[in-house]
Amino acid sequence: QKEVEQDPGPLSVPEGAIVSLNCTYSNSAFQYFMWYRQYSRKGPELLMYTYSSGNKEDGRFTAQVDKSSKYISLFIRDSQPSDSATYLCAMKGMNTGFQKLVFGTGTRLLVSP
Amino acid sequence: EPEVTQTPSHQVTQMGQEVILRCVPISNHLYFYWYRQILGQKVEFLVSFYNNEISEKSEIFDDQFSVERPDGSNFTLKIRSTKLEDSAMYFCASSDRTANTEAFFGQGTRLTVV
Repeated sequence: QKEVEQDPGPLSVPEGAIVSLNCTYSNSAFQYFMWYRQYSRKGPELLMYTYSSGNKEDGRFTAQVDKSSKYISLFIRDSQPSDSATYLCAMKGMNTGFQKLVFGTGTRLLVSP
Repeated sequence: EPEVTQTPSHQVTQMGQEVILRCVPISNHLYFYWYRQILGQKVEFLVSFYNNEISEKSEIFDDQFSVERPDGSNFTLKIRSTKLEDSAMYFCASSDRTANTEAFFGQGTRLTVV
């Protein structure tokens, strides 16, 4: 079983739709969960980060973590064509020696006007 | 807004040659990282660096790789003898605290080994 699993997509939606992006993971030591947006041939851009379980909202973006199910989600409301990109989930543990971010493969999102 | 900067944006090198990829992390950050992304694949951790020493490295980061912070602002990744399979995007990242992980990434250096 992969440590972090993410559907590669592509996920195609019309402008204005609510988008749901998800990742599952197997390592219960993960405590910090992040979502990055990556445009083609560019670096990952941090969108959201959360610690442990719960929800976090920032503008049109909501990140949700369910540690009991080992499942995290990113919701995008009122999606825009400019949201078209690859969305990467990433996670890490807390302890020294476990500093690396473990990424999912990324989900490609296409928002059509 | 502070950002991580990487140079060059694209480097082409012949197999067997040494390359140095350069990064300027965000100025008040203490932890520095290198990641790579082979075309079409996921972003993979290479190494983390804190207090002038490697704090964690992956199995990818073998003896062909080394990192250095030669002065107060630069952070470099050296590949001693490049192989075709080293062709990838290499991303530098930095964070101020590992426990509260907001790691900010640079735009990457695309390394092409021919």
